[in-house]
Amino acid sequence: DVKVTQSSRYLVKRTGEKVFLECVQDMDHENMFWYRQDPGLGLRLIYFSYDVKMKEKGDIPEGYSVSREKKERFSLILESASTNQTSMYLCASSPTGAYNEQFFGPGTRLTVL
Amino acid sequence: AQSVTQLDSQVPVFEEAPVELRCNYSSSVSVYLFWYVQYPNQGLQLLLKYLSGSTLVKGINGFEAEFNKSQTSFHLRKPSVHISDTAEYFCAFLANAGGTSYGKLTFGQGTILTVHP
Repeated sequence: DVKVTQSSRYLVKRTGEKVFLECVQDMDHENMFWYRQDPGLGLRLIYFSYDVKMKEKGDIPEGYSVSREKKERFSLILESASTNQTSMYLCASSPTGAYNEQFFGPGTRLTVL
Repeated sequence: AQSVTQLDSQVPVFEEAPVELRCNYSSSVSVYLFWYVQYPNQGLQLLLKYLSGSTLVKGINGFEAEFNKSQTSFHLRKPSVHISDTAEYFCAFLANAGGTSYGKLTFGQGTILTVHP
C-alpha cells in the first residue's frame, strides 16, 4: 500500500515563528503536492513538485515556500507564521501520468496563535 | 476559469435511504473526474474516477457516479447509505489540456454527508 506520512497531526505555533511541515512517501512517486483545507473552501493547492529540486506554485503560494531535496520528502515552510495560516494541511503524492490517483497523508492541523 | 461546484455543503440523510451528492464543473477543455472521501480525522481516499468510456462508473463502498458531458455534471450516488458513510466528499477534476499537467487537481468545496440512524 502507498503510504504518505506527515510529521505531525497537530501543531501549535506563535505568530512570526518559522514552521516546517514534513511529508514523506514510500512509493517512489514523482509528483508531490501541498494543499490547505478550510471549511467551505475545499482543498486549495499551495505548491507542487514533479521532481527533486523542482517546484511550481499552486493557487495560493503567498506566505509559503517548499523544499524537495530527496524524491520521497517534500517540505512546506511557513517563513513567518500568521494567524490566517491556521488551517489543515494535506500532503499528497502521485506517480507520473496525466490522470494518476493522488494519495493523501492524514493531515496536519496547524494553529497559529 | 476552470472550477468545480458542489451544490450542497451539507446533506443529512437517514440510514438505508438513497443519496445523491451533486457536482458540476466548468472547463474549456476535456476533463478527468474524481470523487474523494474524507472520514473524520483522516486524509482523503479515492472513491472513483472517470477517465473515458462508460459514463457510469462504480467505486468502492457501493458508490457510483455518472458523467454527463452536456450538463457538465458528475453526481455521486448510493442507493442505500450506512452510518459508516458519514464523511466529507470532494469532487475534483484534472484538465486534459495536452502537454504535462503533473496531475494537478481542482477540488470542489466539499459536501458533508451525515447519516442518521
